[in-house]
Amino acid sequence: DAMVIQNPRYQVTQFGKPVTLSCSQTLNHNVMYWYQQKSSQAPKLLFHYYDKDFNNEADTPDNFQSRRPNTSFCFLDIRSPGLGDAAMYLCATSRDTEGRGRENEQFFGPGTRLTVL
Amino acid sequence: GDSVTQMEGPVTLSEEACLTINCTYTATGYPSLFWYVQYPGEGLQLLLKATKADDKGSNKGFEATYRKETTSFHLEKGSVQVSDSAVYFCALRTGGGNKLTFGTGTQLKVEL
Repeated sequence: DAMVIQNPRYQVTQFGKPVTLSCSQTLNHNVMYWYQQKSSQAPKLLFHYYDKDFNNEADTPDNFQSRRPNTSFCFLDIRSPGLGDAAMYLCATSRDTEGRGRENEQFFGPGTRLTVL
Repeated sequence: GDSVTQMEGPVTLSEEACLTINCTYTATGYPSLFWYVQYPGEGLQLLLKATKADDKGSNKGFEATYRKETTSFHLEKGSVQVSDSAVYFCALRTGGGNKLTFGTGTQLKVEL
């Protein structure tokens, strides 16, 4: 089945130690998103890629970066994780079939739960 | 800015009971409205959507009607099952943008 895959499902890192979360998709969707979801809070969009174009949300800290080497893969890099970055990180994809901004349904992966010690 | 407010959970119901999860929103313009469901250990899945006032979205026995006058999109189901136990998120998207704005989610527990 076509799907959105996130690895690892659980990640433990140390305070200040860089960490990378990965997302892959078999849907061939052109838009990929990263959300941060803290405990009992709403998912919050960090940034998204529209094809190769990177779109950062205004309030996303510089500590968070992303790479999209090809259509199928997207990475979330946290350069110096702090205790406040412990959260569930959700990857999602969608296909824009009617021009920029007219995206269809977003498909979500199962998430990676990040713990910072 | 845009925001979504959901009733707090957890909501605990007996099987075959009626369900209503309240959702209200604040948005500029005319948003599209969504309900997503997250089953344990899984990602969010789109449950239903409505793109304009008075539209009713429905799926798997769940329904929600886009009420512009009350800025609401309440989720309803006439008879819940144990398999409906999950976290439900109300969300909106304005204009032609990419961004979904989510509520904090409501956990539903259905018991036998």
